[in-house]
Amino acid sequence: GENVEQHPSTLSVQEGDSAVIKCTYSDSASNYFPWYKQELGKGPQLIIDIRSNVGEKKDQRIAVTLNKTAKHFSLHITETQPEDSAVYFCAASMRDNNDMRFGAGTRLTVKP
Amino acid sequence: EAQVTQNPRYLITVTGKKLTVTCSQNMNHEYMSWYRQDPGLGLRQIYYSMNVEVTDKGDVPEGYKVSRKEKRNFPLILESPSPNQTSLYFCASSLGPSGNGELFFGEGSRLTVL
Repeated sequence: GENVEQHPSTLSVQEGDSAVIKCTYSDSASNYFPWYKQELGKGPQLIIDIRSNVGEKKDQRIAVTLNKTAKHFSLHITETQPEDSAVYFCAASMRDNNDMRFGAGTRLTVKP
Repeated sequence: EAQVTQNPRYLITVTGKKLTVTCSQNMNHEYMSWYRQDPGLGLRQIYYSMNVEVTDKGDVPEGYKVSRKEKRNFPLILESPSPNQTSLYFCASSLGPSGNGELFFGEGSRLTVL
C-alpha cells in the first residue's frame, strides 16, 4: 500500500521567512495530494491540495508543488506569520478518502 | 454551522471497561472515518464507512468496532480498552466519491487507558 514520508518533523523559522515541508510517496498510482493544518487542540483542516495533472498550485502565501516522476510534493509558505505555527500533515490518495495515507506531521514554529 | 462533533473530548478509563466515542456530522456526508494520532506516526485510519450499513477496516482496526446505522452518526466502540489504545482520536467525514476529496475533521477525543 501507499507509504508517505514527511520531513522535517520540526521546523522553526523567523517571522517573515519562508518555510518548506517535503513529502514523498511510494505508489505511483496516487493522484490526489492534500495538505492539512492542525492548530493546537483542534482537528486538521485542509489548506491546499493538488491533483496529479497539475505541477504547482498557489493560494496567497501558500503553494504546493508536485513532481510525479520523483514522487514527491512540497508545501511552501512565504512571509510566515506567528499564526502559521501549527502541525502540518501531507497526504496521498489514489482515488478517494478511504485509501488516504498521511505523513507523520511537521511541527512549524514561527518566531516573532 | 457545518461541523463534525465528537464526544467525549477527554476521557480517562481503566483497562477492560467498554467505552464508546460518538461522532456526528451535519453535512449529509456519505463517507465517515476514524483516525488515531500518535506522536511520530501521523494519522492512522482505524475504520471507515462509505455509506449507511457499509463499514470497512482501515490500517489499525484491532481492538475497535464501529457501526453506521444512520448517515450522520459513526460511533467508535472499544469493547475492552487496553493501555496501547491511549491516543488522540479523530472522526472525519466527506462527501465521498462525488466530492472534491476534502476531509472534515472533528476536534478530537483524547483517551487515556490506565
